[in-house]
Formats: sequence, C-alpha cells, structure tokens
Amino acid sequence: DTGVSQNPRHKITKRGQNVTFRCDPISEHNRLYWYRQTLGQGPEFLTYFQNEAQLEKSRLLSDRFSAERPKGSFSTLEIQRTEQGDSAMYLCASSSGTKKSSDEQYFGPGTRLTVT
Amino acid sequence: KQEVTQIPAALSVPEGENLVLNCSFTDSAIYNLQWFRQDPGKGLTSLLLIQSSQREQTSGRLNASLDKSSGRSTLYIAASQPGDSATYLCAPNTGFQKLVFGTGTRLLVSP
Repeated sequence: DTGVSQNPRHKITKRGQNVTFRCDPISEHNRLYWYRQTLGQGPEFLTYFQNEAQLEKSRLLSDRFSAERPKGSFSTLEIQRTEQGDSAMYLCASSSGTKKSSDEQYFGPGTRLTVT
Repeated sequence: KQEVTQIPAALSVPEGENLVLNCSFTDSAIYNLQWFRQDPGKGLTSLLLIQSSQREQTSGRLNASLDKSSGRSTLYIAASQPGDSATYLCAPNTGFQKLVFGTGTRLLVSP
C-alpha cells in the first residue's frame, strides 16, 4: 500500500490557463476528498466522492472548478481560466468508506499551484 | 457552521518537555475528530482518530482526549523531540464526510 499519490506535485501556470490535477487514492478506498489550503490556514473542504458519485460540493467550488472520479478509482480536479486567487495547495484524501458515519481520512502530499 | 480554534497558535519548547495542544469546536454534534501533523510544504499525516464515543486515544508518545459536550479536544505529547517540530491540526467531522480544520499550532522543539 503506497498511500495517496498526487500529480503533479507543483504547477506554475499563467492566469487564464486551464490546469488539471490527478489523485490516486489508497487501493480499495471508496471515498475520495479534495481540500484546498492557502498559506497559514488549515485545509478547506472542496468536494467528496463515494465511489464514482460526487456527493457534496462546497460553495468554494465555483463554476470554474470541476472534479471527476469516472471509474471510482483515481480522481481529477480541473480549474478553468485560472485566477491568482486560485494559488494554493490542493490536497486529496481517501478513506475506506466501510463505516456508515465516517472514517479516518488519509492525505496525499498535495499539488502546489502558483498562478502568475 | 462548525468553527475550530486551536491554542496556542505557536509554541517553542526545549527538548524533553511534555506538551498540551488545545482544540475547541463550536458544534458538538461530531462523529469523530482527527489530529494531524503537517511539515512545511507537505501533506497531512494522520496521528490519531478519536470517535465521538471515546474519551481518549493513545499512540506512542501521543494521547488525544475528547470532551464532546464541551467542544474540546487536547493532544498531549510526552517527552518532546526535535523531530516533533511541525504544525499540528485538529479536525472534527460533523458528518457528510467533511473535516473542518483549525489554523493549527506551530510547534518548534529545540535540541
């Protein structure tokens, strides 16, 4: 078990460009989460998947953001028409989903996005 | 809306001291609470998960307690080491699988 992996680890892009990040959860984890963290702050929830179904989206996830988990395995987070305010660390987490309520979330190393 | 406060915001201690990090949250209807550590520029490492029905959880030199009714959790670190230097984050889960984070306690343990 190699843990949650994220690619790329760093991304520098110009304002207005589109970017896509990938997250591979721990094998056989049913639940996958995206969070965003800005400097000096704790992570903020963006969205959550149970298998391939996107079950909750934060108001932080504007229309320029879209997340998918097409086969219930890896997930992608796309940001269209990036803005400088999108600069942050994007964190992915997964959990086993075996409990009806909630279970332990394991985080990946994150993708740091810088929009110039 | 769940709000999480962590005190102190920063802590600097010599090696060997026992430490207490505090976390308070406004909505006591939680399923569980996780404590994480984060090294600069890195992701989060889960330290302990304490279920709402539990009062304590231990892992090595770490002990987390939970008083759900008063909206408080503490993380106790025994015999601190320089390798413990990091930011410590607490995150209650009020359901819907969403963790809500505080801004963390930045810990520096000097040799």
